[in-house]
Amino acid sequence: QKEVEQDPGPLSVPEGAIVSLNCTYSNSAFQYFMWYRQYSRKGPELLMYTYSSGNKEDGRFTAQVDKSSKYISLFIRDSQPSDSATYLCAMRAGGTSYGKLTFGQGTILTVHP
Amino acid sequence: DAGVIQSPRHEVTEMGQEVTLRCKPISGHDYLFWYRQTMMRGLELLIYFNNNVPIDDSGMPEDRFSAKMPNASFSTLKIQPSEPRDSAVYFCASGTGPQETQYFGPGTRLLVL
Repeated sequence: QKEVEQDPGPLSVPEGAIVSLNCTYSNSAFQYFMWYRQYSRKGPELLMYTYSSGNKEDGRFTAQVDKSSKYISLFIRDSQPSDSATYLCAMRAGGTSYGKLTFGQGTILTVHP
Repeated sequence: DAGVIQSPRHEVTEMGQEVTLRCKPISGHDYLFWYRQTMMRGLELLIYFNNNVPIDDSGMPEDRFSAKMPNASFSTLKIQPSEPRDSAVYFCASGTGPQETQYFGPGTRLLVL
C-alpha cells in the first residue's frame, strides 16, 4: 500500500464549478502538506502549503487538512479553463526530514468552457 | 532569475548506453533534488543534496544510477547502463530550507529503446 493515495481521475468539470481534490495517507508522522499544480509538459509548481490540521485559503483555492482522518483536500472555487492541470498532493514528516517529500499519484483535472 | 535549468530536454538512447542528465539550480538555493516521474509510479524522489552533500539517496533505484553535485551551481544524474524501464521524465528541483517550496525545472524526457 502506498503511503499517499490520490485518485488519478481524470476529473472533468464545467467552468465555474467547485472542484474537490483529495488525498489520504497512512504515515501519522506527516506534518507538512502541500498541493502542487503541474501543467502538461511542465514541472510541478507549489500551489498551497499547510502545516498540521486546519484550513488555508488563497484566492479561489482552499486547502484543508484533517490529521485525525489522515485526509487532505484542495477546493477550487469558480474553476476556470486555466485551472486544467494535474494536481499533486505532497507531504513530509517533521524533524530533520526536510526535503523528503512523498507525492500522490496526481489528479488530472479538465475545466471545459 | 532563469529558474532551474535542465539539459537535455529530450534524450533518446539505446539500451546499454550511458545517459547523463544535467541541472543548474536557482542561484542561492542550498537544496537540490532529483525526481523521476512515470505514469505507473508517479513522482518519486531519487536523491537530494544540501550544500552539495548527498543527504538521502534511498530513492535511487539501483547501482546503475549515480548523482553528483561538484559545486553549488551544477549537478548530474547518470544512468549506466541504461535500460528501457528507465524511460521517464526526470526533474531537478531546488529550494532553500526551511521553506517547503521546491522549484522544479522543466524536466528531461528520457526514452531508452
